Amino acid sequence: DVKVTQSSRYLVKRTGEKVFLECVQDMDHENMFWYRQDPGLGLRLIYFSYDVKMKEKGDIPEGYSVSREKKERFSLILESASTNQTSMYLCASSSPGGSEKLFFGSGTQLSVL
Amino acid sequence: GQQVMQIPQYQHVQEGEDFTTYCNSSTTLSNIQWYKQRPGGHPVFLIQLVKSGEVKKQKRLTFQFGEAKKNSSLHITATQTTDVGTYFCAAAFYNTDKLIFGTGTRLQVFP
Repeated sequence: DVKVTQSSRYLVKRTGEKVFLECVQDMDHENMFWYRQDPGLGLRLIYFSYDVKMKEKGDIPEGYSVSREKKERFSLILESASTNQTSMYLCASSSPGGSEKLFFGSGTQLSVL
Repeated sequence: GQQVMQIPQYQHVQEGEDFTTYCNSSTTLSNIQWYKQRPGGHPVFLIQLVKSGEVKKQKRLTFQFGEAKKNSSLHITATQTTDVGTYFCAAAFYNTDKLIFGTGTRLQVFP
């Protein structure tokens, strides 16, 4: 069974902390994505990656960076967490091409105090 | 940037009533996908529509893609309590692999 695993289900951090959200997929997918989900705003794309060491900005990249050193792992980094980054973060992966469905992880609910 | 509008934001129905959610884009789409997210869960792929005017059915769910490939709808006939959740459309645009999600329609079904 295909699997996208996010390292934490719940995370509580303080303002100014550096935060790492990890995502691992076991489907050998080239594409990986980070979305954040907020009530009334749907899923908004933060960053995505088509290949190892490759990254592209999504619609809301400010305050975030990403790392993809290995094909199966895509990390989202909050350099200095702020309260407005409190959200549900969802990682997803897919095969290459614009017609491929996304497989999502279970999400990380991040609270920044 | 590319945007997808989805309405309504919420829908409360009595069990057995029908339900429809709509997605609209100002730009022609490569394809559109639909996802369902159960309360407390993550989005799960339902279906993809690629061709102009395409209609697909999954049991009580009917998915349509507009002739101009700019809009889509999901219709549920005779809702059941198991249909509860948030339904998202996700639009794919030409020359990019990224998917842009609609804001979602949260469906509540009362028994």
